[in-house]
Amino acid sequence: DAEITQSPRHKITETGRQVTLACHQTWNHNNMFWYRQDLGHGLRLIHYSYGVHDTNKGEVSDGYSVSRSNTEDLPLTLESAASSQTSVYFCASSERVGTVHEAFFGQGTRLTVV
Amino acid sequence: AQKVTQAQTEISVVEKEDVTLDCVYETRDTTYYLFWYKQPPSGELVFLIRRNSFDEQNEISGRYSWNFQKSTSSFNFTITASQVVDSAVYFCALSEFNTGFQKLVFGTGTRLLVSP
Repeated sequence: DAEITQSPRHKITETGRQVTLACHQTWNHNNMFWYRQDLGHGLRLIHYSYGVHDTNKGEVSDGYSVSRSNTEDLPLTLESAASSQTSVYFCASSERVGTVHEAFFGQGTRLTVV
Repeated sequence: AQKVTQAQTEISVVEKEDVTLDCVYETRDTTYYLFWYKQPPSGELVFLIRRNSFDEQNEISGRYSWNFQKSTSSFNFTITASQVVDSAVYFCALSEFNTGFQKLVFGTGTRLLVSP
């Protein structure tokens, strides 16, 4: 079965370190997204991509970067981790079904920056 | 700008009670989709329902029902005869025509606690 997987599921890192969260989907979807989930904020969009070599900033992109070198993967990099980036991160992919895009979410990555 | 408001941060009920989760949205588009997702304690996001802006019919699925009212920009979710397994965080979300329906804007979520 096609799926979307995130790794690692849990990570603790130190302030200032570079961290990369992986997202891999086997749906062959063009669209991929990264969200962060924080209490009181719901899920907020960090970056998204509509295809290979395409990347776009979401509403909370500062301190994060993504690259899309193939269809399956959209890694999220925290260039210099900060405590404010402690959060749960969700990756999603979507494809058009009729007029709407059907989104599929990964299991989430809990990141703690100490 | 698009916005989704879930004013209820947390709701506690006793099993078998009915409960309604409110969702109010703002959009300038006349064509959009509304969604509900469930996030159980295990953390994954589970899709529950999708409704387009041209379909105001209420939807019922077992103990779940959804009331979409464009006049009040609301898409409320009711659980009838709640069960402990309904305990979760529930998110309402919106996607708009001007983004090609490709991006989801989420509300802040409502945590539902159902006690035995």
